[in-house]
Amino acid sequence: AQSVTQPDIHITVSEGASLELRCNYSYGATPYLFWYVQSPGQGLQLLLKYFSGDTLVQGIKGFEAEFKRSQSSFNLRKPSVHWSDAAEYFCAVGAGKPPYDKVIFGPGTSLSVIP
Amino acid sequence: NAGVTQTPKFRVLKTGQSMTLLCAQDMNHEYMYWYRQDPGMGLRLIHYSVGEGTTAKGEVPDGYNVSRLKKQNFLLGLESAAPSQTSVYFCASDPGLLTDTQYFGPGTRLTVL
Repeated sequence: AQSVTQPDIHITVSEGASLELRCNYSYGATPYLFWYVQSPGQGLQLLLKYFSGDTLVQGIKGFEAEFKRSQSSFNLRKPSVHWSDAAEYFCAVGAGKPPYDKVIFGPGTSLSVIP
Repeated sequence: NAGVTQTPKFRVLKTGQSMTLLCAQDMNHEYMYWYRQDPGMGLRLIHYSVGEGTTAKGEVPDGYNVSRLKKQNFLLGLESAAPSQTSVYFCASDPGLLTDTQYFGPGTRLTVL
């Protein structure tokens, strides 16, 4: 069965420190992978996505993620966290084309940033 | 260009009451979706639509109905609300292009007492 796990429910980092959020998936076909961010009271915003090609994907707001097929992982990274990065982060995996009715979302990781 | 908007932002219902949530998008997107978000869980798909006049069930459709009479609007209805439907509801749309993705609304927080 398809599934997405985000092992860390909550992470706290200091401003300026590096960040890595973990995502592991189980998917029967070639996965298409997404990272979304949800700020308090807001909808989800796409940070980046992996469809094919280079396994290191650059996104908005200085985020990047690396697809590792052998580890079934798609971890999100940022070299230096800003206070405004405090939010909920969701990893998702799905089929390769719309409609996105089969996209599975992970439970989310809540990020707190200490000034 | 307002993107995806949802009405209302908050609502409190009593068990058994009915209501309709409205999702509107001004991007001429073909596909629209309704999700619910519960604590500790990712988004779960309720219903979706691949075009005007079409709807389909998602992962958790029971207790909900939807309609897409106009391309830009996607309505989610609760005919007889239950406490288990207390949740945050998100609408999303996408243009149906391989290289694009979903665009989400700000959410509706619904409490059923």
